[in-house]
Amino acid sequence: DAGVIQSPRHEVTEMGQEVTLRCKPISGHNSLFWYRQTMMRGLELLIYFNNNVPIDDSGMPEDRFSAKMPNASFSTLKIQPSEPRDSAVYFCASSLVRGRVETQYFGPGTRLLVL
Amino acid sequence: KNEVEQSPQNLTAQEGEFITINCSYSVGISALHWLQQHPGGGIVSLFMLSSGKKKHGRLIATINIQEKHSSLHITASHPRDSAVYICAGTNLQGAQKLVFGQGTRLTINP
Repeated sequence: DAGVIQSPRHEVTEMGQEVTLRCKPISGHNSLFWYRQTMMRGLELLIYFNNNVPIDDSGMPEDRFSAKMPNASFSTLKIQPSEPRDSAVYFCASSLVRGRVETQYFGPGTRLLVL
Repeated sequence: KNEVEQSPQNLTAQEGEFITINCSYSVGISALHWLQQHPGGGIVSLFMLSSGKKKHGRLIATINIQEKHSSLHITASHPRDSAVYICAGTNLQGAQKLVFGQGTRLTINP
């Protein structure tokens, strides 16, 4: 398996622009997670889905952030409008949950810079 | 106060030394994950444990539920072990939701 795939790997944009990050989880996995990593705050969970349904979005910073999972093989994280403080590395992870806590597999991350 | 606390924040050692990284967690954490993040940025899950001890090669993870403490040990450390090691807990209420420690930056000098 190719592992969790994220695109783009790097994104540089200007403040106010819309940014869309994409994630393809490992085939057969039923849970998907979006994380953000910054120097100041470390790793933080933004949102996670079970069977394509958002379960916990309490980590989403504000209304400018939105995430969707239209099917089991694809998810997007959108920032509109983007701000310089959104600059971070965004990781997607997936796991196969069977009634208990399971290992999460991380994608390579998208490094976002908002100027 | 963070639910998951790691120590030390930075650790430098010589090749071959035995390494210990500690993680303390609060009530409500049901399982502990140890993650490794290499300088390139990729994150790999090393262990997930809720009791006892797990071993993989030169890496050993232990957890003491009563003391709410976990340790990651590296035997015969090597420069390629240099990375950031992150402890993360999953809590009882949001069983899949990871709460992260601050990470320990490990540098092994040849």
